[in-house]
Amino acid sequence: DGGITQSPKYLFRKEGQNVTLSCEQNLNHDAMYWYRQDPGQGLRLIYYSQIVNDFQKGDIAEGYSVSREKKESFPLTVTSAQKNPTAFYLCASASGSGGAAEYEQYFGPGTRLTVT
Amino acid sequence: RKEVEQDPGPFNVPEGATVAFNCTYSNSASQSFFWYRQDCRKEPKLLMSVYSSGNEDGRFTAQLNRASQYISLLIRDSKLSDSATYLCVVRIQGAQKLVFGQGTRLTINP
Repeated sequence: DGGITQSPKYLFRKEGQNVTLSCEQNLNHDAMYWYRQDPGQGLRLIYYSQIVNDFQKGDIAEGYSVSREKKESFPLTVTSAQKNPTAFYLCASASGSGGAAEYEQYFGPGTRLTVT
Repeated sequence: RKEVEQDPGPFNVPEGATVAFNCTYSNSASQSFFWYRQDCRKEPKLLMSVYSSGNEDGRFTAQLNRASQYISLLIRDSKLSDSATYLCVVRIQGAQKLVFGQGTRLTINP
């Protein structure tokens, strides 16, 4: 069954702690993305990666870090420098390799992070 | 001005009705267009890509108007299960990232 998995579904952390959110895909997609969604708000892009070992900052990268050591995996670390980390975090992937569906993004189920 | 603008709604329509909503985009270099649906507290799911000639998928029809810089989504014979937030999404030519609108909330009433 092809798809994108994110774990855990819910995550609770104390302020000042770093936390890493997992994102794995078995769709053989080249491109992967991290978004943040706050209640009643649209999606905002944090980081994206078009190829292994390369990634770019999105619109709200401050306080976050990523790595892309494998094609299948794109973990996101929410650091203690992120001022308002409580949010719904969504990972997505796209084929990124040409064709009509190159930019169609498919999302994982998301992780709800609560920091107190 | 926001890159992608949608009427947030909510739109409340009776089951079986036809409903349509538009989305405007500000960058004339926008190249790819999509509609996603997002159920409450769930991830967005691709509903359809929007092609220059317009496209239809069952009860759903999407249109692109480049001259006026908007895309539209028409839902015919609406079902209770169509209740969701509909996200308008645009990609600017040369960019790898998508820009999401804030969504239009739709509720279908029995």
